Amino acid sequence: TQLLEQSPQFLSIQEGENLTVYCNSSSVFSSLQWYRQEPGEGPVLLVTVVTGGEVKKLKRLTFQFGDARKDSSLHITAAQTGDTGLYLCKGGGADGLTFGKGTHLIIQP
Amino acid sequence: KAGVTQTPRYLIKTRGQQVTLSCSPISGHRSVSWYQQTPGQGLQFLFEYFSETQRNKGNFPGRFSGRQFSNSRSEMNVSTLELGDSALYLCASSLELPNTGELFFGEGSRLTVL
Repeated sequence: TQLLEQSPQFLSIQEGENLTVYCNSSSVFSSLQWYRQEPGEGPVLLVTVVTGGEVKKLKRLTFQFGDARKDSSLHITAAQTGDTGLYLCKGGGADGLTFGKGTHLIIQP
Repeated sequence: KAGVTQTPRYLIKTRGQQVTLSCSPISGHRSVSWYQQTPGQGLQFLFEYFSETQRNKGNFPGRFSGRQFSNSRSEMNVSTLELGDSALYLCASSLELPNTGELFFGEGSRLTVL
């Protein structure tokens, strides 16, 4: 069974601060995706990374896929209240797919 | 373009009953997958259907079943409900395999079992 460990589980910071959340596994994935879920809604895809060492930027969000394709990080610069939500990583490959349990992020004004 | 539609949004059942949830995918998406989301276990894969055939199944008991119709709409059924089945059930549609493709989620059906 492929497992994805996300940390921290909860994070509450002030608007304007920077933060990093992590997604780690002992398994190798063909691709890794990050989703954000807001209350009362389904998760929405933020990014897909497929190459070891890949870095993708989406405005203030920077995503990195580990060289060995076992882990990933999401860095947010100058967090805004609109970044509040549950951040989920999803690893996938020929063996199936698995989600981490998520990081609950609260950005306080 | 209309998104993924799930019905009902909320429902309350009692132990031992059964429940059927419905999912209409985005037009043109032939893959539909189902997930159970709970605070303790997070988002867990239930099963995936493509062209009316179940392609993959997660590690859930046989009480959880599903099907897909020729128009790609899907239903999932849970029989003999248990208290632990209380959860948000999410459906997602995709163009590619859900393992690596982008998943488009509905808003979910929140099931409470009393």
